[in-house]
Amino acid sequence: AQSVTQLGSHVSVSEGALVLLRCNYSSSVPPYLFWYVQYPNQGLQLLLKYTSAATLVKGINGFEAEFKKSETSFHLTKPSAHMSDAAEYFCAVKANTGFQKLVFGTGTRLLVSP
Amino acid sequence: DSGVTQTPKHLITATGQRVTLRCSPRSGDLSVYWYQQSLDQGLQFLIQYYNGEERAKGNILERFSAQQFPDLHSELNLSSLELGDSALYFCASSVQLAGSTDTQYFGPGTRLTVL
Repeated sequence: AQSVTQLGSHVSVSEGALVLLRCNYSSSVPPYLFWYVQYPNQGLQLLLKYTSAATLVKGINGFEAEFKKSETSFHLTKPSAHMSDAAEYFCAVKANTGFQKLVFGTGTRLLVSP
Repeated sequence: DSGVTQTPKHLITATGQRVTLRCSPRSGDLSVYWYQQSLDQGLQFLIQYYNGEERAKGNILERFSAQQFPDLHSELNLSSLELGDSALYFCASSVQLAGSTDTQYFGPGTRLTVL
């Protein structure tokens, strides 16, 4: 079975500061990993995904994530936060075999202050 | 805009009632997924259809059912509604089936309020 743990339900940063959102996964088979963002009153939008092609994955809006098998982590980073980055971020995992569903973490709300 | 549409956007109903949520996938996508997002349960996978056939089931209650029609749109039926069913229901779609790297694209959701 697959699962993800997101550390910190809320993360606060100042505009221009580094964003680091943590995600650790558990999977019995090689996983596919995803980060989605949810803006208020909207659906989920894919930021980036890891599908074993490269361990450092670049996504939209300047975000990137690094797959670290030894640490079972897939943390999301952005060098400089913008006010528009304020949203909820979800890490998700899917097994790379069979009819496997996306399993989401509990989400991390990113707050950006001026 | 993901290309996935969901109607209605909001739904307010009473306990014991039945409602139908509708989803139209992106053009060309054959798989449709339903998710429930609530404060206490987070984002939970409910059910997946591929080209009209049920393919995977998650934490879907027996009071809930879904289907995918020949034109690939899907409906989620919720019956004997309880207060705890109040949640945001998302539909997502993707191109392929299992074991693939395809991305699930999410609709804007239907917010269900049960009074």
